[in-house]
Amino acid sequence: NAGVTQTPKFQVLKTGQSMTLQCAQDMNHEYMSWYRQDPGMGLRLIHYSVGAGITDQGEVPNGYNVSRSTTEDFPLRLLSAAPSQTSVYFCASSLTSGVNTGELFFGEGSRLTVL
Amino acid sequence: GENVEQHPSTLSVQEGDSAVIKCTYSDSASNYFPWYKQELGKGPQLIIDIRSNVGEKKDQRIAVTLNKTAKHFSLHITETQPEDSAVYFCAASSKGKSTFGDGTTLTVKP
Repeated sequence: NAGVTQTPKFQVLKTGQSMTLQCAQDMNHEYMSWYRQDPGMGLRLIHYSVGAGITDQGEVPNGYNVSRSTTEDFPLRLLSAAPSQTSVYFCASSLTSGVNTGELFFGEGSRLTVL
Repeated sequence: GENVEQHPSTLSVQEGDSAVIKCTYSDSASNYFPWYKQELGKGPQLIIDIRSNVGEKKDQRIAVTLNKTAKHFSLHITETQPEDSAVYFCAASSKGKSTFGDGTTLTVKP
């Protein structure tokens, strides 16, 4: 059971380039989300999805797009990378959402540097 | 939206001592309060959680307490060991979205 898989683990981009961070889970989880982690600032929610075809914005959505075409996959797209997007990105999933929300299962993280 | 404050930001204890980390939250609708441990280079992992209809929960050396009236919850680790050294995050979930505290770096000295 692989759990939550993120790729790539490391990426260096130049300002203005675009890229996609991939996230896949094999636990048939309903809920998937993306967080960014910056030093001293904990984990901040970027976007989340409560099921295939449904996405919504979190606390810091600007500069990022997501889509959820299948239950398993939840890619995060940076359309025009900026140095402020240098961070460690975590994908997390949960079996349920809403009032019955439970444990988040995190991937290993993707470290992105924008020059 | 929800706001979660976590204290202290760093905590150093001697092996065998107890460690306490405290969090406060702002949204009275929050109903799920997990604690995560993050080791270097890894993603956070759940160590214990509590729901709003419970005041205290214990799992071996780890316990969590919740005071809904005061909107605060705490993590207690007893008989600390060097392998407890890590970053610990509290979170509060409202309407399915989790808001995290800024983290506490715990160092257990042998």
